[in-house]
Amino acid sequence: GAVVSQHPSRVICKSGTSVKIECRSLDFQATTMFWYRQFPKKSLMLMATSNEGSKATYEQGVEKDKFLINHASLTLSTLTVTSAHPEDSSFYICSARLKREKYNEQFFGPGTRLTVL
Amino acid sequence: AQSVTQLDSQVPVFEEAPVELRCNYSSSVSVYLFWYVQYPNQGLQLLLKYLSGSTLVKGINGFEAEFNKSQTSFHLRKPSVHISDTAEYFCAVSLPVPGGGNKLTFGTGTQLKVEL
Repeated sequence: GAVVSQHPSRVICKSGTSVKIECRSLDFQATTMFWYRQFPKKSLMLMATSNEGSKATYEQGVEKDKFLINHASLTLSTLTVTSAHPEDSSFYICSARLKREKYNEQFFGPGTRLTVL
Repeated sequence: AQSVTQLDSQVPVFEEAPVELRCNYSSSVSVYLFWYVQYPNQGLQLLLKYLSGSTLVKGINGFEAEFNKSQTSFHLRKPSVHISDTAEYFCAVSLPVPGGGNKLTFGTGTQLKVEL
């Protein structure tokens, strides 16, 4: 149980285009999903916390207009990188927390490798 | 402020040897602690967690960790490693944040490289 999927697993796009990444909890309901960014050989940096039915909470320094997050249902959150540029190239990982879970144990997706040319 | 420190960025070890990956945290309140493993180009997989109770926690793949409150540590150990254990290991701490909810903060990771 507690499986999280991401789609696509990797994407290559041209500079200036927008890219949407999906994060799904496959066998549980997730009121809260998280989006992380990971640079090569670096730790995970929390970008935003996404709550179902409400606006996402962004971490300091993360541009909300550039990284649009939508959490329309209890099993799906999307991250859209708008007007992507080469510096947005990174490994994006989502995670989901079980409904009513207080310890913040998160289940992670397999990640999406974004390359902006 | 809370932080998680993984003292070793890389740990080389021979196959079948024991290994310890160190993790220290700083917090003035009770914490929940996690160890995750990440294989190349993959997401994070939970190895084990400490929420409460016994300070010795056993996880998957033969790993275990001990929560030491006085030393604010949560070191990960395995008595005999295998080549397949080669991966990046992240220690994480979950703490409450203002306004409600918890936030997971990760250490910088330790690259475990198992050699023949």
